[in-house]
Amino acid sequence: DAGITQSPRHKVTETGTPVTLRCHQTENHRYMYWYRQDPGHGLRLIHYSYGVKDTDKGEVSDGYSVSRSKTEDFLLTLESATSSQTSVYFCAISGDSGSSYNEQFFGPGTRLTVL
Amino acid sequence: SQQGEEDPQALSIQEGENATMNCSYKTSINNLQWYRQNSGRGLVHLILIRSNEREKHSGRLRVTLDTSKKSSSLLITASRAADTASYFCATDSTGANNLFFGTGTRLTVIP
Repeated sequence: DAGITQSPRHKVTETGTPVTLRCHQTENHRYMYWYRQDPGHGLRLIHYSYGVKDTDKGEVSDGYSVSRSKTEDFLLTLESATSSQTSVYFCAISGDSGSSYNEQFFGPGTRLTVL
Repeated sequence: SQQGEEDPQALSIQEGENATMNCSYKTSINNLQWYRQNSGRGLVHLILIRSNEREKHSGRLRVTLDTSKKSSSLLITASRAADTASYFCATDSTGANNLFFGTGTRLTVIP
């Protein structure tokens, strides 16, 4: 795997609690992405970042926020977790030209269960 | 949604046979990419084909792109048990820096 780690790898939490997932890269790539993967839906983009402090919403951003204070770290926060946010979350990175011209490299995923 | 759709949703073949997966999408694109996902792992990039290309090869992979039909196909020749995985197409859109993934084709190669 390209130098991307996600933490935690597994988490079980209760409805209404805040949850933060971390993505860390050692590749110094400009673009970072958070996706969720659910059966029947494939991967759907939650938020992405095109630089430190520069972020934008994706297709399914409601209920999620992100922050990027350093090139290497991209945090995804579920402000008040709901059962519909039970999913597998993937972080991805790509180079300076963005995903139109560069492949994305994916992290190993975080399995989140909201009870 | 710009999300692509793969067809078939699932495919089961014998080792040594060829596997063909198709992807259809809705809007104009710059490029189309194919990814593979082994069970419980992240996606791995396989190949990128630009909108001005019609065919591209990489090892046992052959990708075609027909922008007039907004469709692409991925052919895996001489399949192996290790090719068992889910395969996803991903498209961008003009001016965007993110990808839209399809729902995937689950390929099973029987030894």
